[in-house]
Amino acid sequence: EVQLVQSGGGLIPPGGSLRLSCAASGFTVSSNYMSWVRQTPGKGLECVSILYSGGSTLYADSVRGRFTISRDNSKNTLYLQMNNLRAEDTAVYYCTKSPVNGTTLRYFQHWGQGTLVTVSS
Amino acid sequence: DIVMTQSPDSLAVSLGERATINCKSSQSILYRASNKNYLAWYQQKPGQPPKLLIYWASTRESGVPDRFSGSGSGTDFTLTISSLQAADVAIYYCQQHYSTPVTFGGGTKVEIK
Repeated sequence: EVQLVQSGGGLIPPGGSLRLSCAASGFTVSSNYMSWVRQTPGKGLECVSILYSGGSTLYADSVRGRFTISRDNSKNTLYLQMNNLRAEDTAVYYCTKSPVNGTTLRYFQHWGQGTLVTVSS
Repeated sequence: DIVMTQSPDSLAVSLGERATINCKSSQSILYRASNKNYLAWYQQKPGQPPKLLIYWASTRESGVPDRFSGSGSGTDFTLTISSLQAADVAIYYCQQHYSTPVTFGGGTKVEIK
């Protein structure tokens, strides 16, 4: 059974840094298409970053240069390092897994429980 | 960016009645080489992450009740709940994965009348 268990998050002042973690079980992170999707009441759902099995990455314009997606194969864990955080990064962040086979861009088949990131002084 | 517009924003339907949610993309999301529409539907209940219901516009995810169905092609899509149950109260989202960035609709809230 696929499981995604998230940790990290919390209250952080503007300009600060935070790392989100997503521990996976039931599959191998390094062989899969993984993403971080965030949700806010105002902007709705937004895919902020994608990590392909081959190691290439995609970022939303809103976070490029500030966020970094990565994985630790030994821990079967996905990460999102968030630097220079802004108030508009306040959101619930979800770790997601997409189907094994598919096109360059995919839908989100499995979701973590979500973690709230609040950027405020 | 492809803009996904859902309608209505909310609807109230009696138990056992049909609920219909619309999703329109600002450009076609039909990939002609595969004849597939790159559209997914999700259900989100309060305090929970979104749950995948439908992909390729009309293929039900494993375990999703058959009262949920998706239809449409090109730019216009519909999610239908044939006989609304209390467990279906939720917000429903469409998502395109035809081009980057992938984008979501704003959501449609379904309630019991």
